Amino acid sequence: GIQVEQSPPDLILQEGANSTLRCNFSDSVNNLQWFHQNPWGQLINLFYIPSGTKQNGRLSATTVATERYSLLYISSSQTTDSGVYFCAVCSNDYKLSFGAGTTVTVRA
Amino acid sequence: KAGVTQTPRYLIKTRGQQVTLSCSPISGHRSVSWYQQTPGQGLQFLFEYFSETQRNKGNFPGRFSGRQFSNSRSEMNVSTLELGDSALYLCASSRTGADTQYFGPGTRLTVL
Repeated sequence: GIQVEQSPPDLILQEGANSTLRCNFSDSVNNLQWFHQNPWGQLINLFYIPSGTKQNGRLSATTVATERYSLLYISSSQTTDSGVYFCAVCSNDYKLSFGAGTTVTVRA
Repeated sequence: KAGVTQTPRYLIKTRGQQVTLSCSPISGHRSVSWYQQTPGQGLQFLFEYFSETQRNKGNFPGRFSGRQFSNSRSEMNVSTLELGDSALYLCASSRTGADTQYFGPGTRLTVL
Protein backbone atom coordinates (compact mmCIF):
# COMPACT_ATOMS: atom_id res chain seq x y z
CA GLY A 1 0.00 0.00 0.00
CA ILE A 2 0.90 3.66 -0.20
CA GLN A 3 3.22 4.87 2.55
CA VAL A 4 2.61 8.32 4.02
CA GLU A 5 5.22 10.08 6.14
CA GLN A 6 4.58 13.28 8.04
CA SER A 7 7.12 15.60 9.59
CA PRO A 8 7.81 16.83 12.13
CA PRO A 9 6.04 14.45 14.55
CA ASP A 10 5.71 17.21 17.14
CA LEU A 11 5.70 20.99 16.89
CA ILE A 12 5.55 23.53 19.69
CA LEU A 13 4.74 27.09 18.68
CA GLN A 14 4.37 30.41 20.38
CA GLU A 15 1.07 32.13 19.56
CA GLY A 16 1.51 34.26 16.46
CA ALA A 17 4.24 32.10 14.93
CA ASN A 18 4.15 30.54 11.47
CA SER A 19 4.84 26.90 10.69
CA THR A 20 5.06 24.35 7.89
CA LEU A 21 4.00 20.72 8.09
CA ARG A 22 5.16 18.24 5.46
CA CYS A 23 3.62 15.09 4.00
CA ASN A 24 5.53 12.72 1.71
CA PHE A 25 3.86 9.82 -0.05
CA SER A 26 5.33 6.82 -1.82
CA ASP A 27 3.22 6.49 -4.97
CA SER A 28 0.98 8.47 -7.29
CA VAL A 29 -2.39 9.32 -5.79
CA ASN A 30 -5.76 10.57 -6.96
CA ASN A 31 -6.40 12.77 -4.01
CA LEU A 32 -4.78 14.14 -0.90
CA GLN A 33 -6.56 15.59 2.11
CA TRP A 34 -5.45 17.39 5.24
CA PHE A 35 -7.38 16.96 8.49
CA HIS A 36 -7.23 18.47 11.95
CA GLN A 37 -8.21 16.22 14.84
CA ASN A 38 -9.67 18.16 17.74
CA PRO A 39 -9.25 17.17 21.40
CA TRP A 40 -12.55 15.26 21.28
CA GLY A 41 -11.31 13.06 18.46
CA GLN A 42 -13.26 14.42 15.51
CA LEU A 43 -11.42 14.78 12.23
CA ILE A 44 -12.14 18.07 10.51
CA ASN A 45 -11.39 18.31 6.82
CA LEU A 46 -9.10 21.26 6.06
CA PHE A 47 -8.25 20.76 2.39
CA TYR A 48 -8.93 18.45 -0.50
CA ILE A 49 -5.84 19.13 -2.57
CA PRO A 50 -4.60 16.54 -5.09
CA SER A 51 -2.43 19.22 -6.69
CA GLY A 52 -1.82 22.95 -6.64
CA THR A 53 -2.32 25.49 -3.87
CA LYS A 54 -5.34 26.41 -1.79
CA GLN A 55 -5.89 28.89 1.00
CA ASN A 56 -8.48 29.08 3.73
CA GLY A 57 -8.00 31.91 6.17
CA ARG A 58 -4.71 31.48 8.02
CA LEU A 59 -4.20 28.02 6.56
CA SER A 60 -2.89 27.18 3.14
CA ALA A 61 -1.73 23.99 1.45
CA THR A 62 0.36 23.09 -1.55
CA THR A 63 0.63 19.68 -3.20
CA VAL A 64 3.32 18.86 -5.77
CA ALA A 65 1.99 15.57 -7.06
CA THR A 66 4.90 14.92 -9.43
CA GLU A 67 7.32 15.06 -6.49
CA ARG A 68 4.95 13.26 -4.12
CA TYR A 69 4.72 15.75 -1.30
CA SER A 70 2.33 18.24 0.24
CA LEU A 71 2.84 21.13 2.64
CA LEU A 72 0.42 22.67 5.11
CA TYR A 73 1.15 26.22 6.25
CA ILE A 74 -0.21 27.70 9.45
CA SER A 75 0.26 31.44 9.76
CA SER A 76 -0.21 33.60 12.86
CA SER A 77 -0.95 30.50 14.93
CA GLN A 78 -3.58 30.60 17.67
CA THR A 79 -4.12 28.31 20.65
CA THR A 80 -7.17 26.89 18.87
CA ASP A 81 -4.83 25.54 16.18
CA SER A 82 -3.51 22.99 18.67
CA GLY A 83 -4.24 19.37 17.89
CA VAL A 84 -3.07 16.66 15.54
CA TYR A 85 -2.82 17.30 11.81
CA PHE A 86 -3.15 14.36 9.48
CA CYS A 87 -2.36 13.98 5.83
CA ALA A 88 -4.26 11.24 3.98
CA VAL A 89 -3.97 10.03 0.42
CA CYS A 90 -6.15 7.90 -1.81
CA SER A 91 -5.42 6.00 -4.98
CA ASN A 92 -8.09 4.24 -7.06
CA ASP A 93 -9.37 2.11 -4.20
CA TYR A 94 -11.63 4.45 -2.14
CA LYS A 95 -9.33 3.94 0.83
CA LEU A 96 -7.57 6.77 2.66
CA SER A 97 -4.05 5.97 3.85
CA PHE A 98 -3.12 8.22 6.75
CA GLY A 99 0.19 9.44 7.99
CA ALA A 100 1.07 9.23 11.68
CA GLY A 101 0.21 12.89 12.17
CA THR A 102 1.92 16.02 13.46
CA THR A 103 0.98 17.07 16.99
CA VAL A 104 0.89 20.86 17.17
CA THR A 105 0.89 22.70 20.49
CA VAL A 106 0.41 26.46 20.40
CA ARG A 107 1.32 28.25 23.63
CA ALA A 108 -0.19 31.58 24.62
CA LYS B 1 -26.93 20.52 6.27
CA ALA B 2 -26.47 18.08 9.13
CA GLY B 3 -23.06 16.43 9.49
CA VAL B 4 -22.14 12.79 9.84
CA THR B 5 -23.61 11.26 12.97
CA GLN B 6 -22.44 8.18 14.83
CA THR B 7 -24.15 6.25 17.58
CA PRO B 8 -23.44 5.42 20.27
CA ARG B 9 -20.66 7.83 21.19
CA TYR B 10 -19.26 5.61 23.96
CA LEU B 11 -19.45 1.89 24.58
CA ILE B 12 -18.04 -0.40 27.23
CA LYS B 13 -18.10 -4.12 26.50
CA THR B 14 -16.42 -7.22 27.85
CA ARG B 15 -14.30 -9.72 25.96
CA GLY B 16 -16.31 -12.16 23.88
CA GLN B 17 -19.29 -9.88 23.42
CA GLN B 18 -20.31 -8.36 20.12
CA VAL B 19 -21.06 -4.75 19.24
CA THR B 20 -22.84 -2.84 16.47
CA LEU B 21 -21.95 0.74 15.60
CA SER B 22 -24.08 3.00 13.44
CA CYS B 23 -23.24 5.81 11.03
CA SER B 24 -25.61 8.21 9.26
CA PRO B 25 -23.93 10.06 6.38
CA ILE B 26 -24.52 13.58 5.16
CA SER B 27 -27.67 13.79 3.07
CA GLY B 28 -26.87 13.02 -0.57
CA HIS B 29 -23.66 11.15 0.22
CA ARG B 30 -23.63 7.57 -1.01
CA SER B 31 -20.17 6.51 0.15
CA VAL B 32 -19.49 5.52 3.76
CA SER B 33 -16.09 4.44 5.07
CA TRP B 34 -15.02 3.15 8.46
CA TYR B 35 -11.68 3.63 10.21
CA GLN B 36 -10.18 2.38 13.46
CA GLN B 37 -7.87 4.67 15.42
CA THR B 38 -5.57 3.36 18.14
CA PRO B 39 -2.48 4.93 19.75
CA GLY B 40 -0.27 2.12 18.47
CA GLN B 41 -1.52 1.66 14.90
CA GLY B 42 -2.89 5.10 14.11
CA LEU B 43 -5.78 5.41 11.64
CA GLN B 44 -6.49 2.22 9.72
CA PHE B 45 -9.08 1.61 7.01
CA LEU B 46 -11.75 -0.97 7.74
CA PHE B 47 -14.11 -0.88 4.74
CA GLU B 48 -15.94 1.33 2.27
CA TYR B 49 -19.51 1.03 0.98
CA PHE B 50 -21.24 2.70 -1.93
CA SER B 51 -24.89 2.10 -2.78
CA GLU B 52 -25.01 -0.94 -0.51
CA THR B 53 -21.92 -2.54 -2.09
CA GLN B 54 -18.62 -3.04 -0.33
CA ARG B 55 -15.95 -1.77 -2.70
CA ASN B 56 -12.89 -2.22 -0.50
CA LYS B 57 -11.93 -3.89 2.75
CA GLY B 58 -8.91 -3.37 4.97
CA ASN B 59 -6.70 -5.97 6.62
CA PHE B 60 -8.88 -6.84 9.56
CA PRO B 61 -10.08 -10.28 10.69
CA GLY B 62 -13.48 -11.57 9.69
CA ARG B 63 -14.84 -10.59 13.11
CA PHE B 64 -15.17 -7.11 11.64
CA SER B 65 -18.07 -6.75 9.24
CA GLY B 66 -20.28 -4.03 7.91
CA ARG B 67 -23.22 -3.23 5.73
CA GLN B 68 -24.95 -0.29 4.12
CA PHE B 69 -28.66 0.24 3.79
CA SER B 70 -30.63 1.72 0.91
CA ASN B 71 -30.78 5.10 2.68
CA SER B 72 -26.92 5.07 2.82
CA ARG B 73 -26.81 4.58 6.58
CA SER B 74 -24.16 2.08 7.56
CA GLU B 75 -23.47 -0.25 10.44
CA MET B 76 -20.35 -2.09 11.44
CA ASN B 77 -20.29 -5.13 13.69
CA VAL B 78 -17.47 -6.61 15.71
CA SER B 79 -18.04 -10.08 17.07
CA THR B 80 -16.14 -11.91 19.80
CA LEU B 81 -14.55 -8.73 21.11
CA GLU B 82 -10.89 -8.74 22.15
CA LEU B 83 -9.04 -6.29 24.36
CA GLY B 84 -7.18 -5.03 21.29
CA ASP B 85 -10.44 -3.89 19.70
CA SER B 86 -10.56 -0.98 22.14
CA ALA B 87 -10.32 2.03 19.87
CA LEU B 88 -11.99 5.09 18.42
CA TYR B 89 -14.10 4.02 15.43
CA LEU B 90 -14.61 6.77 12.88
CA CYS B 91 -17.05 6.89 10.02
CA ALA B 92 -16.67 9.15 7.00
CA SER B 93 -19.06 10.02 4.20
CA SER B 94 -18.58 11.50 0.75
CA ARG B 95 -20.51 11.78 -2.50
CA THR B 96 -18.44 9.35 -4.54
CA GLY B 97 -15.78 7.89 -2.26
CA ALA B 98 -13.06 9.67 -4.20
CA ASP B 99 -13.87 13.21 -3.12
CA THR B 100 -13.77 15.17 0.15
CA GLN B 101 -14.36 12.94 3.17
CA TYR B 102 -16.38 14.23 6.11
CA PHE B 103 -15.90 12.43 9.40
CA GLY B 104 -18.32 11.85 12.23
CA PRO B 105 -17.47 12.39 15.92
CA GLY B 106 -16.57 8.73 16.40
CA THR B 107 -17.57 5.92 18.74
CA ARG B 108 -15.13 5.21 21.54
CA LEU B 109 -15.20 1.47 22.32
CA THR B 110 -13.61 0.10 25.46
CA VAL B 111 -13.30 -3.67 25.83
CA LEU B 112 -12.71 -4.92 29.38
